[in-house]
This record gives sequence, C-alpha cells and structure tokens, in this order.
Amino acid sequence: EAEVAQSPRYKITEKSQAVAFWCDPISGHATLYWYRQILGQGPELLVQFQDESVVDDSQLPKDRFSAERLKGVDSTLKIQPAELGDSAMYLCASSFTGLGSPLHFGNGTRLTVT
Amino acid sequence: GQQVMQIPQYQHVQEGEDFTTYCNSSTTLSNIQWYKQRPGGHPVFLIQLVKSGEVKKQKRLTFQFGEAKKNSSLHITATQTTDVGTYFCAGRFHVSGNTGKLIFGQGTTLQVKP
Repeated sequence: EAEVAQSPRYKITEKSQAVAFWCDPISGHATLYWYRQILGQGPELLVQFQDESVVDDSQLPKDRFSAERLKGVDSTLKIQPAELGDSAMYLCASSFTGLGSPLHFGNGTRLTVT
Repeated sequence: GQQVMQIPQYQHVQEGEDFTTYCNSSTTLSNIQWYKQRPGGHPVFLIQLVKSGEVKKQKRLTFQFGEAKKNSSLHITATQTTDVGTYFCAGRFHVSGNTGKLIFGQGTTLQVKP
C-alpha cells in the first residue's frame, strides 16, 4: 500500500536555528496538509495545499514558518528561527481530493527545540 | 473561528462496557471524518459521514451525523482491549470550489481495563 513519506523522523535543534521538514505524498493525491500535534492534543492544521496552491494557511505563524509545494508534488515546511514552543510532532497528510477523500498520514517528524 | 469540540477528553472503561465520544461544530460541516490514533502512531482513517442524519456501522462501531450536520458521535459496543487509542473527529469546512479544510477535534482517549 502506498504511503506518505516524511523526513527526518526526529529532529533536535537549538532555539533560533532553522529547521526544515520534507513530505512526499501518495502519488496522484492533489491535496497535501501539514499538521502540528502537541502531545495529548488533536492535530492542528498549519497549511493545506491543493496542487501547488495554498488553500488555507490561516493558522501558520508566518513570521517564522513557511511552506511550499512548488511542483504540486512534494512539500517542505520550514521554521526559522525555531522557538521552544515549536516542539511537537509535525504530521504531513495527503488526500486524493480536497473535499471528500480520507487523509493518509505520514509517520511524522518529532521536533525537539532546546 | 472554525472549531470542532470533542468530549470527553478521556474515558476509562471496563472491557465489555460501551463507549461514546461526541463531536460538535458551531457551523455546518460539508462532511465529518473519524480517525483512530494508537499510542506512538499517526491518525488512521475510520469513516466519513456526508449526509444529514447519516448512520454507518463498522462491526461494533456506530457513527452518526446530526440532522443539522453540526454534530457527530462514535459509539463502540462492548469494548475490547484492541479499541485502546485516541479517537478524533475531523470536520470539513467548505473553503471554495471543490476544497474544504479539515479541522480536528481534541480527541477522546479511550483506556480499556481487561
């Protein structure tokens, strides 16, 4: 079964440093999502792409976070500079369409900011 | 803003007892999805409800979508230890065209005592 690939699996960085996460969705999936999940809470939508266009990034802290999906396939999420409060699991998910398809999640990147 | 509230946050039951989690949105949803996340894992899709008043069953799991498409519930009959995990509802809010953003509830963590 096809999977969403994410890397790295774990990342430890010092505050004020830059970090980047990569996601490769399931082939043919037009919609790509980045979620942040703090332990014990539900996934929080950071940004949603439809092909290469941003559908929603209303919860993305744009002063430090950026996301791109240049060719409408894989995507990168960047944080610069990282803050202690950014420590969380960053989950990427993809779906065939943006309205009625189930999400397939990757295994996530566990970020620890020291 | 667009939020999905889910209660209770935790539920401890004896094996064989029933379990229910409830989900509520302040605005009408395009559809609602349910996911299960095992400890250390990522959310896995269970089901999607689209129609007003829809009821779907998966073995011991019963999912309902309210008439106003603002609330939903998941009921598990005769819980088993394999049901342990966190159950999330995720409401789809229409954005534009054929796209809607998916907002997750806070989740209900189910513990089952054998």
